[in-house]
Amino acid sequence: GAGVSQSPSNKVTEKGKDVELRCDPISGHTALYWYRQSLGQGLEFLIYFQGNSAPDKSGLPSDRFSAERTGGSVSTLTIQRTQQEDSAVYLCASSLTGGSTDTQYFGPGTRLTVL
Amino acid sequence: AQSVTQLDSQVPVFEEAPVELRCNYSSSVSVYLFWYVQYPNQGLQLLLKYLSGSTLVKGINGFEAEFNKSQTSFHLRKPSVHISDTAEYFCAVSPSMFSGGYNKLIFGAGTRLAVHP
Repeated sequence: GAGVSQSPSNKVTEKGKDVELRCDPISGHTALYWYRQSLGQGLEFLIYFQGNSAPDKSGLPSDRFSAERTGGSVSTLTIQRTQQEDSAVYLCASSLTGGSTDTQYFGPGTRLTVL
Repeated sequence: AQSVTQLDSQVPVFEEAPVELRCNYSSSVSVYLFWYVQYPNQGLQLLLKYLSGSTLVKGINGFEAEFNKSQTSFHLRKPSVHISDTAEYFCAVSPSMFSGGYNKLIFGAGTRLAVHP
């Protein structure tokens, strides 16, 4: 694939349920990022992966949020016991090396609605 | 720490008119600057970035931005807009390579550009 892909594109869930969001980065990109875009908070950084390691998890809002990356490729963001305030668009991005001059390429996002 | 302020949440403009979207930043270290565009129901796409050198940066779709270090600004401009430029525009900063760290983008709140016929 040419770009970053995310699935599902939309997810509606009930409060208290767990959800998994998937990101497929551009092939060969070692750096992967998750962001959250919500009406009140704008675009917030969640977590950064370099390979399979996450040297910066400082943006994860609570311990209900976790993420992993396997094989230096696909990443999954998991939200446990979802709350209504988790409703947002979750964006994934990847870049070639994670270096400061890199360009981040964004996926189309997953729109999460918690009822 | 870094922060980004986009001074206008919405900018309405008529087609073929010029437009300027304002961005100011604050940082205790040297930074790189970016403008991203988000079309409806799509992810973000890089318009342009300033790393070093000439303070006037040209990007895609006829956009350009000027880095002003003394005013800590990075305003985005286009001399003549089209209907298709209707989108949300985000200014962002990341610490430069001289500041260490990685490409951690800190975004402004966004400016919604609405181009009217």
